[in-house]
Amino acid sequence: AQSVTQLGSHVSVSEGALVLLRCNYSSSVPPYLFWYVQYPNQGLQLLLKYTTGATLVKGINGFEAEFKKSETSFHLTKPSAHMSDAAEYFCAVTPREGGAQKLVFGQGTRLTINP
Amino acid sequence: DGGITQSPKYLFRKEGQNVTLSCEQNLNHDAMYWYRQDPGQGLRLIYYSQIVNDFQKGDIAEGYSVSREKKESFPLTVTSAQKNPTAFYLCASSPWTGTDTQYFGPGTRLTVL
Repeated sequence: AQSVTQLGSHVSVSEGALVLLRCNYSSSVPPYLFWYVQYPNQGLQLLLKYTTGATLVKGINGFEAEFKKSETSFHLTKPSAHMSDAAEYFCAVTPREGGAQKLVFGQGTRLTINP
Repeated sequence: DGGITQSPKYLFRKEGQNVTLSCEQNLNHDAMYWYRQDPGQGLRLIYYSQIVNDFQKGDIAEGYSVSREKKESFPLTVTSAQKNPTAFYLCASSPWTGTDTQYFGPGTRLTVL
């Protein structure tokens, strides 16, 4: 069965600093990979996804993620944090052959931005 | 605007009562999903439906029931058999279950007193 591990349930950075949120997956075949963001008491919004092609994926709000097969990782980065980036971030995977009903989420990383 | 609506946003119920959460989408998506979110546990799949009048259990279906009488609607009933119903419930949809991306509603926070 697939699983997703997000390293660090809480990450705190200063405004303007680099944001790095880590995600590793376990799967014998590289899955489709997603990052979602959740603001307090709201639903999830898709930030970006990797399905095929270029391994560096650019998303909304200046975020990007790189798929590294050798490291089974899909870390999320943003060069310069903004106060509005404070939220919870979820990494998720789904098998290429199985369909969206098998979307598996990590436990989430809460990002705090310090002024 | 196209999207997914969930109502109500906040719901309070007494222990032992059944409660139904609404989910409506106007995206013309075939597939719909219900998730439960608890702090520090990510999202867990309760039920999903690929077409009208058909639905499948997810990982934590016990104590929940659903119906899919219309393509745009997928209500979730939290029954008195659910031992710990207080949680944040999220509805999602996708064009069909063979596609990769799900789109989420704003959620309903259920508190059982």
